[in-house]
This record gives sequence, C-alpha cells and structure tokens, in this order.
Amino acid sequence: GAVVSQHPSWVICKSGTSVKIECRSLDFQATTMFWYRQFPKQSLMLMATSNEGSKATYEQGVEKDKFLINHASLTLSTLTVTSAHPEDSSFYICSAWGLLVGTDTQYFGPGTRLTVL
Amino acid sequence: AQTVTQSQPEMSVQEAETVTLSCTYDTSESDYYLFWYKQPPSRQMILVIRQEAYKQQNATENRFSVNFQKAAKSFSLKISDSQLGDAAMYFCAYRLLPNTGNQFYFGTGTSLTVIP
Repeated sequence: GAVVSQHPSWVICKSGTSVKIECRSLDFQATTMFWYRQFPKQSLMLMATSNEGSKATYEQGVEKDKFLINHASLTLSTLTVTSAHPEDSSFYICSAWGLLVGTDTQYFGPGTRLTVL
Repeated sequence: AQTVTQSQPEMSVQEAETVTLSCTYDTSESDYYLFWYKQPPSRQMILVIRQEAYKQQNATENRFSVNFQKAAKSFSLKISDSQLGDAAMYFCAYRLLPNTGNQFYFGTGTSLTVIP
C-alpha cells in the first residue's frame, strides 16, 4: 500500500522560533496533501488543503501567516509553524491523495508531536 | 457545511462479543464517501472500512461491517467477535469527492475498550 512519512515525529522548540514539518509520499505522487491538527483525545481538525504547485487553501479560523504550507513537488509538502507559542503545541497529521493510488481514499502520515516551551 | 457526529464518546465490549458504534452526518451533497478509521495509541490513522454513498449495499470487511442509511444520514460500524487489538479510538469520517474538494471531515471519535 501507499506510504506517507512525516519528519520529525517529535519536536520540542522554544517559544518564538519556527518549526518545519515535512510530509512525504514515498511510493506515489500526491496531487493533494492535507494538514490536520489533533489535540489530546480530540478529533482531527482540517487545517488546509495543498495542491502541488498552488497556494494552499486554509480552513476558516486557521491563520495562513502562522501556518505556512508549501507543496513544491508531487512527493513533498511542508508545514512551517512560525513564531510558535505554547498554544501551538499539538499533534499534526498530514495525509496525501494521488490519482495513481485510486480516487477513494487518502493515506495518512504517522503524525508529528510539537511541543512549544 | 459538513458535520459528522459521534454520540458515544466511550464504548466497551466484552471480548468475542459484538459492538456497534454510531455516526450521523450532515451534508447537502448527493455523492460522497464515508469511512471509519481506527487510531490506536500510536496515533497512526488506520482505515477500517469505507462506503461509497452511491452504493446501496453495505460495506463489509472481515469482522467489520457498516449499516449505511443514506436517507437518515447514518453510518454505524459493527465489530463482530471483538478482539483485544480492536481497542482504540474510532473516527467516523465524511469525505467530499475529488471534484468538490476531496477534504475529510471527522467526527469527535469513540473510544472503544475491549474487556478480556
């Protein structure tokens, strides 16, 4: 099956710094990638939709200047949390969708745990 | 707006017994996909079962089956012969078709405990 990786799996940073999270589709070309945020014992909240070569589309309430998303290639999307603060601490999950792997499912990455001190 | 509701925050089942998890959703679309995902403590999302809205036949995947009632916008998951490894958080999800956005919308989740 299709594999999606995320790096890093866990990151701790100081308040005010920026953190970049990578999402890679390892064996297929991901036309679209999605970024989710999950608080402890809560559901996944869609943050943004990213199409290769285009600007990301952000969900209502998500600050696009704070959560920078880049989808420069068909196998890589990055989420940069700028000027991170403790309230940005969360679990971030990406998912990828590509025509080659079918049109009826997406593949999720293993997630990245961000802790901002 | 698409919303997905799981009214059971927690459920428990005896090992080898059957349990049903509830899910309702709201949408104005006529065609879409529905999914159940399992999230174990590792937090990796694992696809359990999926259903295309245009199919009337309920999806089945080994011990997992769904009861899809399109008119009622209901999509419940039945787990038969429950096993200890089934213990996890279960999320019901609704997904738009690729030509209408492709986004997933998740329910609030049901935490399933399997009692030995």
